Amino acid sequence: AQKITQTQPGMFVQEKEAVTLDCTYDTSDQSYGLFWYKQPSSGEMIFLIYQGSYDEQNATEGRYSLNFQKARKSANLVISASQLGDSAMYFCAMREGGDDKIIFGKGTRLHILP
Amino acid sequence: SQTIHQWPATLVQPVGSPLSLECTVEGTSNPNLYWYRQAAGRGLQLLFYSVGIGQISSEVPQNLSASRPQDRQFILSSKKLLLSDSGFYLCAGTGESSPLHFGNGTRLTVT
Repeated sequence: AQKITQTQPGMFVQEKEAVTLDCTYDTSDQSYGLFWYKQPSSGEMIFLIYQGSYDEQNATEGRYSLNFQKARKSANLVISASQLGDSAMYFCAMREGGDDKIIFGKGTRLHILP
Repeated sequence: SQTIHQWPATLVQPVGSPLSLECTVEGTSNPNLYWYRQAAGRGLQLLFYSVGIGQISSEVPQNLSASRPQDRQFILSSKKLLLSDSGFYLCAGTGESSPLHFGNGTRLTVT
């Protein structure tokens, strides 16, 4: 069963608008961590933001914030004031507390339009 | 900070040839190390991970194997490559309380 689900294979957004990329996860652990990565066309994987399951505040890093809704098991990435350079593939990932595996969703390809 | 070194950047190999991809880590001790494969335009598939020297967990039965001969070295191997082994291979590592850091990847084409 898929543990990380990203339901949006592709998105087109106008420059300067805010973007929400969806991610839902499935775990029975109480302790886990959620990550978001950006992969531009060059292929490199860029770490964006991390949210621990026990963190009370939603994580923020510059223009990136994570909308963490624990009861709904969702960890959506919000990008404020999108820029052309935000065009890339975005991956959500999870590490469960009792395991060392880190698994990824299938990704969302984001296109920012000028 | 942690740095993952991975080489080569690109590799073209014939079917049936062996493979060895090496990954080394700087900046942390006793990292957890991971090998992922990404098909063109797709997500990351976890192949192997290791929590210490000689400790390998395999996620997907396949034509590949992994070894960890030293704390900061993780090797992905195959005795005989198949066409289906083509893809983008990414090595990654994480120390205690740190996010997963990735190498720059190896784009493997099996012909």
